[in-house]
Order: sequence, then C-alpha cells, then structure tokens
Amino acid sequence: DAEITQSPRHKITETGRQVTLACHQTWNHNNMFWYRQDLGHGLRLIHYSYGVHDTNKGEVSDGYSVSRSNTEDLPLTLESAASSQTSVYFCASSESAGRYEQYFGPGTRLTVT
Amino acid sequence: GDSVTQMEGPVTLSEEAFLTINCTYTATGYPSLFWYVQYPGEGLQLLLKATKADDKGSNKGFEATYRKETTSFHLEKGSVQVSDSAVYFCALIPNNAGNMLTFGGGTRLMVKP
Repeated sequence: DAEITQSPRHKITETGRQVTLACHQTWNHNNMFWYRQDLGHGLRLIHYSYGVHDTNKGEVSDGYSVSRSNTEDLPLTLESAASSQTSVYFCASSESAGRYEQYFGPGTRLTVT
Repeated sequence: GDSVTQMEGPVTLSEEAFLTINCTYTATGYPSLFWYVQYPGEGLQLLLKATKADDKGSNKGFEATYRKETTSFHLEKGSVQVSDSAVYFCALIPNNAGNMLTFGGGTRLMVKP
C-alpha cells in the first residue's frame, strides 16, 4: 500500500545545530508540503513543492529550507535550530491537479534545547 | 486573506450525545472545504469534504454541509463514541490557490463513557 513516512519520529537537538527531517511518500504525488503544529495555531505551512526542483515558501518559512531532487522525498532542514522551532512537524502530499485532499505522515516531534 | 475559524475546545460529551463543531470561513469565490481528524499520536486523516455550495460530505456517521450563505461548514454526528475522541480540524483550499490548505485552530473532542 502507498504511504507517507517521516523520520525520525522524535528528535532532541541543541540550539544552533543543523537538523534535517525526512519525508518519503510512495503515492507518486507531485505535490508535497511541510507544516508545523503548535498549540493555539493549528497547522501552519512552512514550505511546499509542486514537483522535482520546485520549492516555495509558506506562511512560516524563516529558518527552514527544503529541496526536491526526486518525486518521493522532500527533506526539511533547519539551518540553525532555535527554541522557537520546538514543534511537531507534519509532511503531506497530494495529487497534482485539482483541489485534492492531502495525505499526512505521522509527524516528527522536535525539541530544541 | 483566507482564514478558517473553529470553536475552541475542548468539547466534552458523554457517549451517544449529539456533536456539533462549528466552522466558519473567509475566502473569495467557492473554496473546497474539508474536515480532518487527528487521533492521539497520529497524523491527520481526511474525514470528509465538500467542493461546492450545498454539498454534504459524510463519513463514519459524521456530516457537514457547505453553506455558502453563512460561509459555514459545521461538523455534526448524531451519537458519538469514545473512539471519536480526537482533534478535529476544519480546512479549506481556495479556488485559485492550487492545493494549499488553510487550517482552523483545531477542536479537541473528549467523549466519556
């Protein structure tokens, strides 16, 4: 069965370190998204991609970057982790055309100390 | 800009009670509307959707009707179960914004036996 996976599921890192969160989907979807979930804010879009080599900034992109070298993967990098980036991160994917629903991964809980 | 407003939780109900979670939106034109559910420790799953005015989405006993005149998409269920305890998110995709979801803040539902 097709799926979307994230790794690691839990991560503790120190302020200033670079961190990369992995997202891998086997749906063969062109669209991929990264969100963060914080109490009181719901989910907020960080970055998204509509295909290989395409990346776009979302609502809360400062301090984050993504790259899309193939259809299956969209890794999220925190260039220099800050305590304000402690959050739960979700990756999602969707079909390329039309307003289709998004399929979400299980999430990565990141703690920056 | 586009936005989604949900009633704040937590909502606490006894098993077999009637559930309503209010959701209103602000968007131009005719967005697509969604309800997602997040069970503890998991990612979001699509619960139901509606893509045009007066459409009713339904799944697992939950229903929501797209009301253009009141810009609302309230979630209802006639008889909740303990297993329905989760966080519910209302969301929209604007009709001119590809596949990007805008989420409400989420409403936690707790159902007691």
